[in-house]
Amino acid sequence: DTEVTQTPKHLVMGMTNKKSLKCEQHMGHRAMYWYKQKAKKPPELMFVYSYEKLSINESVPSRFSPECPNSSLLNLHLHALQPEDSALYLCASSQAGTQREKLFFGSGTQLSVL
Amino acid sequence: QQQVKQSPQSLIVQKGGISIINCAYENTAFDYFPWYQQFPGKGPALLIAIRPDVSEKKEGRFTISFNKSAKQFSLHIMDSQPGDSATYFCAVFNQAGTALIFGKGTTLSVSS
Repeated sequence: DTEVTQTPKHLVMGMTNKKSLKCEQHMGHRAMYWYKQKAKKPPELMFVYSYEKLSINESVPSRFSPECPNSSLLNLHLHALQPEDSALYLCASSQAGTQREKLFFGSGTQLSVL
Repeated sequence: QQQVKQSPQSLIVQKGGISIINCAYENTAFDYFPWYQQFPGKGPALLIAIRPDVSEKKEGRFTISFNKSAKQFSLHIMDSQPGDSATYFCAVFNQAGTALIFGKGTTLSVSS
């Protein structure tokens, strides 16, 4: 199984809502990532978890809160988002350590903030 | 801030033609240079990658050429097909070696 599964595929939320994005992989990868992608732009790194610990936070606003409950799951909790946060949110996973070159991406959650 | 410069921004090629996309980088922690392919509504997928112990790597119709002294690498798609129409991203590791940083992308359209 070489899949990274993201749910939901689409999400519409108001600026006062709280929602969560979920990501799951069963490849035994110990590094997991959240990227944000605006239309016609490259993916931009948000967070990196390595062995279930947050190792990188690319100065992401606190209205985005990541969580890695176990080695297969990655969540992104959303609260009080702004319309400019509307984007495709991509989860990815890879081997950790020296084998982390190959990223496997999910299909993303298309988020619209009204 | 890590810089990865990718060109061209968009490319239109006739079916059967050669598509060439270029990438230039500054510094990177790891000598590993991938190209990712992304179709609309999907996440990027690894297409081909090279380590600079070789200057060229070929997988089917896709070839990476690497020039270490110039800090450049390029993707060549031979016999381009309409199914190759997608956005292509080059990537390099950041200076800490902890994550991939992507170029701005090239939208390829192959006309039949």
